[in-house]
Amino acid sequence: QLQLQESGPGLVKPSETLSLTCTVSGGSISSSSHYWGWIRQPPGKGLEWIGSIYYSGSTSYCPSLKSRVTISVDTSKSHFSLRLSSVTAADTAVYYCARHAWVKGFDPWGQGTLVTVSS
Amino acid sequence: QSALTQPPSVSGSPGQSVTISCTGTSSDVGSYNRVSWYQKPPGTAPKLMISEVSSRPSGVPDRFSGSKSGNTASLTISGLQAEDEADYYCSSYVSSNTVLFGGGTKLTVL
Repeated sequence: QLQLQESGPGLVKPSETLSLTCTVSGGSISSSSHYWGWIRQPPGKGLEWIGSIYYSGSTSYCPSLKSRVTISVDTSKSHFSLRLSSVTAADTAVYYCARHAWVKGFDPWGQGTLVTVSS
Repeated sequence: QSALTQPPSVSGSPGQSVTISCTGTSSDVGSYNRVSWYQKPPGTAPKLMISEVSSRPSGVPDRFSGSKSGNTASLTISGLQAEDEADYYCSSYVSSNTVLFGGGTKLTVL
C-alpha cells in the first residue's frame, strides 16, 4: 500500500532554512488524482496546513506562510520537498507529509518528523 | 484565515455517543462539502476518518459518522470504545485551493 516517509535534519538554527523530503513508495507520485501536502503540528498545538503540490509542479500554499515556503517535486525520485526559510522557534513542530485530494482530504500520512529550531 | 472552531475537549462513557462540532464560515465549511475528520492518538500520525462531510473510507467503523448544517460540521461517534480516545481534527477546503484545520478536540473515554 502507499507509504510516505519524511526525512531531514531534526535541528535547524534560527534564521536558517528548514528542508525536508517526503519519499513516496507503493504508488505513483505522478497520480493525476492527487496532490502531495505538508502539514505541521507545533508542540501542544493543532494541525496547520503548509502547502500542497501536484506532480506537474503546480503549488498551493497557506497564505500566512507563503512568503517563506517552497514546495518542489522530483517525480524521477518519487519524492517531494519542503523548504521553509527564515525559521524561528515558532516553526518548531512535527512535520507530516501526506497524499492530498482537495475533495477527500489527506490520506495516508507519513509518520512525521520533529524539527526543532534552536541555536 | 482563522482556524475552524472546535471544542477543546469532550468526554463520554463506553457505549455512549459523543458529537464534536467544527464551526467555520460561509467561505469554507458553509460553501463546500469538503470537510474531513482525522483521528490522532498521541504520538502517532493522523488518520482520515471521514471525508466529504459524511463519507467513511474503507476500514473505518460505521460508529463514526459525519454531517453538516450551515457553517458547522459534526463528527458523531456512537458506541464509544476505549480505543476511540484521541485528538480529533476537522478540516475544510477554502476557496483558491487552500485548506483550514480546526484547533482539535481531545476525546476522553471515561
